[in-house]
Amino acid sequence: GDSVTQMEGPVTLSEEAFLTINCTYTATGYPSLFWYVQYPGEGLQLLLKATKADDKGSNKGFEATYRKETTSFHLEKGSVQVSDSAVYFCALSLSGSARQLTFGSGTQLTVLP
Amino acid sequence: SAVISQKPSRDICQRGTSLTIQCQVDSQVTMMFWYRQQPGQSLTLIATANQGSEATYESGFVIDKFPISRPNLTFSTLTVSNMSPEDSSIYLCSVVPRETQYFGPGTRLLVL
Repeated sequence: GDSVTQMEGPVTLSEEAFLTINCTYTATGYPSLFWYVQYPGEGLQLLLKATKADDKGSNKGFEATYRKETTSFHLEKGSVQVSDSAVYFCALSLSGSARQLTFGSGTQLTVLP
Repeated sequence: SAVISQKPSRDICQRGTSLTIQCQVDSQVTMMFWYRQQPGQSLTLIATANQGSEATYESGFVIDKFPISRPNLTFSTLTVSNMSPEDSSIYLCSVVPRETQYFGPGTRLLVL
């Protein structure tokens, strides 16, 4: 079945460091890919998405590129801030529908001042 | 986008009791979803709630334990029945207004 594999955490970085959180997927069709973020004590928020191969999603300085050849959707940010400390979830849904999301296990990021 | 609110935001309950969680959306949506996030884990879909019909439950979840109501297109409730400490989780509702899923802030439940 469909699945998402995320880089295991926790990840601890210093402020202004470069961030990469790896995400790979297995899917029978052509999924849409998402990154969600969960700040402490809050629900999930959509961070960015990409719906087809080679699309790049971006938001708040975060980027992720849909790589069909490597079945990956790695999350990157050039310079993290303390306020980026959160849990990040990679997710996929089958093409044309975001109704059935399959989530990765989540990666806890802590950014130190 | 969609603005979703949930009540209560958190609760501490005794074993054997039940808790009903409310989810309110600021627009009409066909489907609403209920997820569980156990401590330190990812999200698991409990059920899909359609207005005017029975909810559809995922494998491992049953109506007797998690009854769901969907009286209109902007509101749903999830009840966690006969609770045990294993039910301690965050419960989230979500909607998909336009091909993107939006989540409520979650209800943090601790069962003693």
